[in-house]
Amino acid sequence: DIVMTQSPDSLAVSLGERATINCRSSQSVLDSSNNKKYLAWYQQKPGQPPKLLIYWASTRESGVPDRFSGSGSGTDFTLTISSLQAEDVALYYCQQYSSTPFTFGPGTKVDIK
Amino acid sequence: EVQLVESGGGLVKTGGSLRLSCVASGLPFIEAWMTWVRQAPGKRLEWVGRIKSKGGGGTTDYAAPVKGRFTISRDDSKNTVFLQMNSLKTEDTAVYYCTKDVPFTGGGAMLYWGQGALVTVSS
Repeated sequence: DIVMTQSPDSLAVSLGERATINCRSSQSVLDSSNNKKYLAWYQQKPGQPPKLLIYWASTRESGVPDRFSGSGSGTDFTLTISSLQAEDVALYYCQQYSSTPFTFGPGTKVDIK
Repeated sequence: EVQLVESGGGLVKTGGSLRLSCVASGLPFIEAWMTWVRQAPGKRLEWVGRIKSKGGGGTTDYAAPVKGRFTISRDDSKNTVFLQMNSLKTEDTAVYYCTKDVPFTGGGAMLYWGQGALVTVSS
């Protein structure tokens, strides 16, 4: 199974400042045949199901604010919130869908400083 | 508007069985690869398994902790996917989500989520 790790466990950022979350996979999730990285990011608020933010490592889902962006290589990925808003307080998970079982990271909690 | 509505959750004793249903609307269900994901209290999300569309082979895949105990099936005439859970253990206690992916991501990038069904397994 591909193991997903995230850092930091939590971070507190001032409103309007940048938040950066890192995610690492134990194996590459890049498919060289199509050059796609099978990595997604989700946001989860208390009592709600997760919300898909990013897929293919950097494709923003429709309706997701452009302050959210994803980047990365075959094993190391980053979710960036360029200007933190109050409504961005949540847990953020990365997930690989390169091979089953699809696996999630442990989550990163983002708060306001 | 796409909606996924789960039902069938509840309290069950260890060794017991439960069947969750997920009714989908607002999407071409017959083409959909459907996935179940669970989240134990305070824990990370955990992929349970998926079922491909009949056109995609209709096959199923499962996570190791549930393989042999859980079965995913579908009824395309009712836009419904099922999760049959047998031989339940206390560690199966979780909120179970039905999901639908972004097309062509193999069930992987989960765009639509149900509200979740709580399953509690007690000894």
